[in-house]
Parts: sequence; structure tokens; C-alpha cells
Amino acid sequence: AQSVAQPEDQVNVAEGNPLTVKCTYSVSGNPYLFWYVQYPNRGLQFLLKYITGDNLVKGSYGFEAEFNKSQTSFHLKKPSALVSDSALYFCAWGGATNKLIFGTGTLLAVQP
Amino acid sequence: DTGVSQNPRHKITKRGQNVTFRCDPISEHNRLYWYRQTLGQGPEFLTYFQNEAQLEKSRLLSDRFSAERPKGSFSTLEIQRTEQGDSAMYLCASSTLGGWTGTEAFFGQGTRLTVV
Repeated sequence: AQSVAQPEDQVNVAEGNPLTVKCTYSVSGNPYLFWYVQYPNRGLQFLLKYITGDNLVKGSYGFEAEFNKSQTSFHLKKPSALVSDSALYFCAWGGATNKLIFGTGTLLAVQP
Repeated sequence: DTGVSQNPRHKITKRGQNVTFRCDPISEHNRLYWYRQTLGQGPEFLTYFQNEAQLEKSRLLSDRFSAERPKGSFSTLEIQRTEQGDSAMYLCASSTLGGWTGTEAFFGQGTRLTVV
């Protein structure tokens, strides 16, 4: 069965420092991978996706993610965190029907 | 606003009552999805439509749940004889026909259901 894991429930980082939110996957077939962010009382917002091609994917709000096939990982990164980045982040796998299988989420807390 | 719209935003109902939620997708999107999200969990897939056809249903979708998309535009999700375990955020999303290209889905703000 396809699955996505986010090993950290919460990540704490100081504003201005780089951040990494981890995601690993276990899927058969093509690893179509996504990152979504969820702010309080708001819907999920698409950040970026990996379909094929370059392993480093750039997305919205300065975020990027690195696809690593050998480590089956798709970690989300940002060079310099902002307090406004504090939110719940979800990694997801999407199959041919675009049905998404989500990880359990990682709460990112950026301290000023 | 041309995003995905869900109504109502909040619903409180007594156990045993029926509830219906509505989702209006982005107008040119062929695919429409329903997910359920409980506290501390990621969204879980319930069902999806391609145009008016319901093509897949999760095992999570018990017989008390039914979804429709009669004209291939808006969709409704009905829960009959609600139970306290149905309390959750119900999310709707839509996408174009991405197929193997992995087109991203756009989500509405969700309907929060509380069964008392």
C-alpha cells in the first residue's frame, strides 16, 4: 500500500534560520509527491510538487523540496524561516487519479 | 473568488440527524474529491468524481455516506444518522484531468462537523 510518513510532529526553528520538514514515502509506481500547507481556519494550500525531472523543486513562498530516490525522501526546505511560515505542513503522494495520500502533518513553529 | 467553495463552514448537529454539505469546485475542473480530516491527522480520501461519475469510494465511506455530483459541477456529501465519530473537518478539492502528470488539487476551506 502507498504511504507517506512525516516523522516529526513538530519542528521548531528560529526566524532567519534554515528549516527542514521531513517526508519519506513508500509507493509503487511513479512518486508524484506534493507539499501542502494549512493555516488555522484555512484550507490546504499547494506549495510544490515533484513529478519528474530535477530533484530540487521550487515552490511558493520561497520553499523548495529535494526528491531523493535512494532515500525515498522528499524533504521540504527553506533557507531562511519567517514567523509567518508557522503552520501545519503536509506531505502527500498522488496517483494517476490525483487522489492524495497524506502524511500525518508536521507543525512548524518559527520563533521570533 | 474563483477558488473551491464549501458550505456551510460549520455545522453542529445532534446524533442521529442527517446533514448535507455542498462543494463548488473551480469551474473548469473535471475532478472533485472529498476528504475527511480529524484532529492531529492528515486528510483521508473519501471519494472522487470525474465530471458526474463517481469513480472511487474509500472503505471509510460507510453506507451512511453518499456523495453526488449530478451535473458535473457542484457536489454534495450527505451523512445520514450521524454519529459522534463523524465529527471532523470535511474537505473538498478539485483538479483538472491531470492523469499521469500529477496535477495539483485545490482545496476549499472545509466544513467542520460537530455531532453532539
